[in-house]
Amino acid sequence: DGGITQSPKYLFRKEGQNVTLSCEQNLNHDAMYWYRQDPGQGLRLIYYSQIVNDFQKGDIAEGYSVSREKKESFPLTVTSAQKNPTAFYLCASANTNTGELFFGEGSRLTVL
Amino acid sequence: AQSVTQLGSHVSVSEGALVLLRCNYSSSVPPYLFWYVQYPNQGLQLLLKYTSAATLVKGINGFEAEFKKSETSFHLTKPSAHMSDAAEYFCAVTQRDDKIIFGKGTRLHILP
Repeated sequence: DGGITQSPKYLFRKEGQNVTLSCEQNLNHDAMYWYRQDPGQGLRLIYYSQIVNDFQKGDIAEGYSVSREKKESFPLTVTSAQKNPTAFYLCASANTNTGELFFGEGSRLTVL
Repeated sequence: AQSVTQLGSHVSVSEGALVLLRCNYSSSVPPYLFWYVQYPNQGLQLLLKYTSAATLVKGINGFEAEFKKSETSFHLTKPSAHMSDAAEYFCAVTQRDDKIIFGKGTRLHILP
């Protein structure tokens, strides 16, 4: 089935460790996005990529990094510089003709 | 830049009653407007979208939304609430630079 796959679904890490969240899509979409979700704050854009080998910072990019070496993949690294990394992370890809976003199931990161 | 305001972080309605979730966008008309639904620990699913073809948009699960330019609003409604409608609902808009901006969300509670 076509869709977005995020892994892992749950992740626990110690403070000071970098963590990479995986996001893969087989929808042939050019655009991909990473959002962070915290209770009561909605979805905040971390990074987005409109095409392979290019990406832009969103509203809360500090402490995060991404790469877009393949159309299908858009991994997010949460670095030790991110002051409050515990959150629910959502990856999405977009049909740029309709603007519609397709979301993965999310990754819940807990930093101990 | 676009902004989205959802009035009411929590809304409670009785089963069978009208559901009304409010969304206002900033003054410039966005290319697209969306409503998404999120069930616990899952990604977001598209309920409906406005793309300027019609001001009254029908979506899945009996939901609909009306675009009102004069009020800069895109409120979501459903005539009769069902227990399965309990979830968090997000209004979103696209910007011309392909960024997609979300409101903070409204959690809908259905009372038996």
